[in-house]
Amino acid sequence: DVKVTQSSRYLVKRTGEKVFLECVQDMDHENMFWYRQDPGLGLRLIYFSYDVKMKEKGDIPEGYSVSREKKERFSLILESASTNQTSMYLCASSLGVANTGELFFGEGSRLTVL
Amino acid sequence: GQQLNQSPQSMFIQEGEDVSMNCTSSSIFNTWLWYKQDPGEGPVLLIALYKAGELTSNGRLTAQFGITRKDSFLNISASIPSDVGIYFCAGPTSGTYKYIFGTGTRLKVLA
Repeated sequence: DVKVTQSSRYLVKRTGEKVFLECVQDMDHENMFWYRQDPGLGLRLIYFSYDVKMKEKGDIPEGYSVSREKKERFSLILESASTNQTSMYLCASSLGVANTGELFFGEGSRLTVL
Repeated sequence: GQQLNQSPQSMFIQEGEDVSMNCTSSSIFNTWLWYKQDPGEGPVLLIALYKAGELTSNGRLTAQFGITRKDSFLNISASIPSDVGIYFCAGPTSGTYKYIFGTGTRLKVLA
C-alpha cells in the first residue's frame, strides 16, 4: 500500500514564525503535491513537484515555498506565518508523467497561526 | 477554482440503507477517483476508474465511470455508522498535473 506520511498532525505557531511541513512517500512516485483545505473552499493546490528539484506553482503559492531535494520527500515552507494561513494542509503523491494515475493523500497537518 | 459538481450535498440515511451519489463535469475525464474523508483526517482513496462504462467494487462500495466520461457514480450498500464522512470525487485534467475535486457529499448514518 502507498503511504504518504506528514510529519506533524497538529501545529500551533505564532505570526511571523517560519514553519516547515514535511511529507514523505514510500512508493517512488514522481509527482508530489501540497494542498490546503478550508471549509467552503475545497482543496486548493499550493505547489507541486514532478521531479527532484523541480517545482511548479499551483493556484495559491503566495506566502509559501517548497523544497524537493529527494524523490520521496516534499517540504512546504511558510517563511513568515500569518493568521490567514491557518488551515488543514494535505500532501499527496501520484505516479507517472501522464498524470492519469491515482492520487494518494497524507493524514493532513492542521496548522493554527496565532 | 474549477470544481466537479456532486449531489446530493448531504444526506441522512438509516443504517442498512443503500446510498447513491454522483459527480458531474462539463468536460471529459479519463480517470475518476472517489475518496472518503473523516473529520480532521486526510482523504482516503476508495476506488479508481479508468474506462468509460467501467463498474468497479470495493467491498460494499461500487463506482461507475459514466458512458459520456463526464460523470461518475458511487453506491454504498447496506450502510453502517462508520460510513459517516465526506465523499468526494476527483479527476486529473488532461495534459496538466492538476486534479479537479468535487464539492463533496456529506453522509450521516442514523443507527
